[in-house]
Amino acid sequence: GEDVEQSLFLSVREGDSSVINCTYTDSSSTYLYWYKQEPGAGLQLLTYIFSNMDMKQDQRLTVLLNKKDKHLSLRIADTQTGDSAIYFCAEIVDSGGGADGLTFGKGTHLIIQP
Amino acid sequence: DTGVSQNPRHKITKRGQNVTFRCDPISEHNRLYWYRQTLGQGPEFLTYFQNEAQLEKSRLLSDRFSAERPKGSFSTLEIQRTEQGDSAMYLCASSPGGHNEQFFGPGTRLTVL
Repeated sequence: GEDVEQSLFLSVREGDSSVINCTYTDSSSTYLYWYKQEPGAGLQLLTYIFSNMDMKQDQRLTVLLNKKDKHLSLRIADTQTGDSAIYFCAEIVDSGGGADGLTFGKGTHLIIQP
Repeated sequence: DTGVSQNPRHKITKRGQNVTFRCDPISEHNRLYWYRQTLGQGPEFLTYFQNEAQLEKSRLLSDRFSAERPKGSFSTLEIQRTEQGDSAMYLCASSPGGHNEQFFGPGTRLTVL
């Protein structure tokens, strides 16, 4: 079955790097995503990685995928107060017949200390 | 703004009433998804359309839930005989296909009294 696990909270100092971790169980996951949700706001797609990739970098964001361990991480460099939010890891399985919905983790609350 | 829009943003209803929510996807996105999010949880997938065809509906929470996308553009989600447990945020997302990136609307918050 599908399951996505994340730790619930992460506290970092402003200016440090944040690393948010995620594990998933479905080895046939095709794409893995990171979404950001600020209070009272909708989900913002940050980045995604295809399952045959190991790493993807986009400005301050670096995604690492360890397919053997089914482990995904999101690194945010030079964390700012505006990065304070809930970060969701999500996976999708595309069997080729049309994609199913995303399976989300419970989200990691990123708390920025001044 | 060309993002996903949802109406209404908030809905308060009494138990037993029917409610209907609307989602307008990003233009030319042929895939449309509905999710439910409860407090402290990630979104939970409910159903999915490709154009006007509903390709997945087994995840709808009960037979009180139904969704339509009659012309392959906007979609509606209806909940009949609402229960207090239906109180949640209902999210809509659309996707152009390809890498299956899903872009979410702001959601409709339902409160059932």
